[in-house]
Amino acid sequence: DGGITQSPKYLFRKEGQNVTLSCEQNLNHDAMYWYRQDPGQGLRLIYYSQIVNDFQKGDIAEGYSVSREKKESFPLTVTSAQKNPTAFYLCASSTGRSAGELFFGEGSRLTVL
Amino acid sequence: GIQVEQSPPDLILQEGANSTLRCNFSDSVNNLQWFHQNPWGQLINLFYIPSGTKQNGRLSATTVATERYSLLYISSSQTTDSGVYFCAVVERGFNKFYFGSGTKLNVKP
Repeated sequence: DGGITQSPKYLFRKEGQNVTLSCEQNLNHDAMYWYRQDPGQGLRLIYYSQIVNDFQKGDIAEGYSVSREKKESFPLTVTSAQKNPTAFYLCASSTGRSAGELFFGEGSRLTVL
Repeated sequence: GIQVEQSPPDLILQEGANSTLRCNFSDSVNNLQWFHQNPWGQLINLFYIPSGTKQNGRLSATTVATERYSLLYISSSQTTDSGVYFCAVVERGFNKFYFGSGTKLNVKP
């Protein structure tokens, strides 16, 4: 089935450790996005990529890094510089055209102990 | 960037009731979508509706692009409709999605 796969679904990490969240899509979409959601809040854009080997910062990029080496993959690294990393992280993709429909993965819950 | 406002922020309904959720946006859009976030956090696509009206079962949506708003109608609500409903838009000429802050719906049995 076509879709977006995020892993892991749940992740615990100690303060000071980097962690990488995986996002893979088989929809042949050009654009991919990472959002952060805090409890009871809306979605905030971390990074997005409209084409392979290119990406742009969103509204809350500090403390995060991404890469886009393959069309189907857009991993997000939460670095130790991110002051409040505990959150729900959602990956999404679209065709990349401004009228393209957006689809989401199931999300990854990160808890920093 | 474009501003997206959703109302009401919270809504409590008795099962079987109808409701209307609203999404206002501040500029012309190429894309407007409605999503339902279930209690497990998953975002489900409800409608892709930059203009016009669509229906899917008990749900329907209308977007009046010239007046910059969209409405989501839920009829004969069920407890499984509970969750948060988000509206997202793409400003004309850009490829970035902007989300509203959501409407939290609680349908009681």
